[in-house]
Amino acid sequence: ETGVTQTPRHLVMGMTNKKSLKCEQHLGHNAMYWYKQSAKKPLELMFVYNFKEQTENNSVPSRFSPECPNSSHLFLHLHTLQPEDSALYLCASSQFFSGSPSSGANVLTFGAGSRLTVL
Amino acid sequence: DQQVKQNSPSLSVQEGRISILNCDYTNSMFDYFLWYKKYPAEGPTFLISISSIKDKNEDGRFTVFLNKSAKHLSLHIVPSQPGDSAVYFCAASARAGGTSYGKLTFGQGTILTVHP
Repeated sequence: ETGVTQTPRHLVMGMTNKKSLKCEQHLGHNAMYWYKQSAKKPLELMFVYNFKEQTENNSVPSRFSPECPNSSHLFLHLHTLQPEDSALYLCASSQFFSGSPSSGANVLTFGAGSRLTVL
Repeated sequence: DQQVKQNSPSLSVQEGRISILNCDYTNSMFDYFLWYKKYPAEGPTFLISISSIKDKNEDGRFTVFLNKSAKHLSLHIVPSQPGDSAVYFCAASARAGGTSYGKLTFGQGTILTVHP
């Protein structure tokens, strides 16, 4: 396996279900991200983890719960979601740099995404 | 309030011609800009980037131009090929506290179709 792998690729769940999205990166990166893409909207940052520590929660509702057990794995636990949470959830990873922006710190490698439908 | 805007939802170009995709931003703190390309059923892939200390960056057929005074950047693809047909996203980031990490703000995307 290479790159960033997301499972499942498609998920349909009811509003009372509990499910999880999984992301694994094989790039040796130390930062991982969850982004959300809703229909006709730009990608929105949800969470950032650097070296397993959460450094960003972009005002995401608590029904989304991220978990990062190590630098290679990232989960998004889903609980009592709403139909408007239906979207494409993208995981990404990158190297965490400090200093000059020309270091390419923002070059993210994305997974193919998990398409979530909440009924 | 959308800080990064791609005002053209779609663009159609003939093979061999130039494709120009545009992006405008409002946040003057943005200092690093990127273009990503996305094919159906795949995640976005990094294409090219530019920092605010430059006004042009070139990589093969792809050139990104940055006009800081106008808060505008553009991606030029010359010559365009049918395989370039995809959704193109503009993204921007701002350094925070001397560090830089992937807090990217994306535009809505522009669907590019290159006809043979």
